[in-house]
Amino acid sequence: LAKTTQPISMDSYEGQEVNITCSHNNIATNDYITWYQQFPSQGPRFIIQGYKTKVTNEVASLFIPADRKSSTLSLPRVSLSDTAVYYCLVGKSSGYSTLTFGKGTMLLVSP
Amino acid sequence: DAGITQSPRHKVTETGTPVTLRCHQTENHRYMYWYRQDPGHGLRLIHYSYGVKDTDKGEVSDGYSVSRSKTEDFLLTLESATSSQTSVYFCAISEQGSDNQPQHFGDGTRLSIL
Repeated sequence: LAKTTQPISMDSYEGQEVNITCSHNNIATNDYITWYQQFPSQGPRFIIQGYKTKVTNEVASLFIPADRKSSTLSLPRVSLSDTAVYYCLVGKSSGYSTLTFGKGTMLLVSP
Repeated sequence: DAGITQSPRHKVTETGTPVTLRCHQTENHRYMYWYRQDPGHGLRLIHYSYGVKDTDKGEVSDGYSVSRSKTEDFLLTLESATSSQTSVYFCAISEQGSDNQPQHFGDGTRLSIL
């Protein structure tokens, strides 16, 4: 399974753009990159997923360079409610294969 | 939100007692997973299921068993609970189809073994 490395914690202020970078040097050809968000006392929640280039949805953007050895989750104009742990995962989301969750990045958004 | 219900939400029990946690889904998804989450470890996969009566071990399966007699229910059993199994347990589901179907999680069961 591809291992991921991401910062343990990040701080930001309301209204700022936050970029969380994840390294996955041994990503396999058929692996996807998936980000989850987790609030205290809740299960992780799917945010975004991509394979290459850029993916955008109503919550975030995901930037993946051509070599796919890293990816960046971009949260535009964060609010206090974006304070959470963000997990970067590499692999197949469903089916017979399984995902490995790392320790994630604790994002703290302050007023 | 995906229709996933975990029960009980909280449980306190004693070492050596059997414990069964239930995950119930209303999405008719094929794949179901059990994770545990501990401080400093993130989420770790215990067991997963790829269909009725079809299950396999995950990263930390020792001390746990699972059963899936129907699509909507996935049970996790601790035959003889130990204090090291004190944790928050999450169930997840994913849809059959392409490999990039995301997993959807329940709200967890907080289990304390005294």
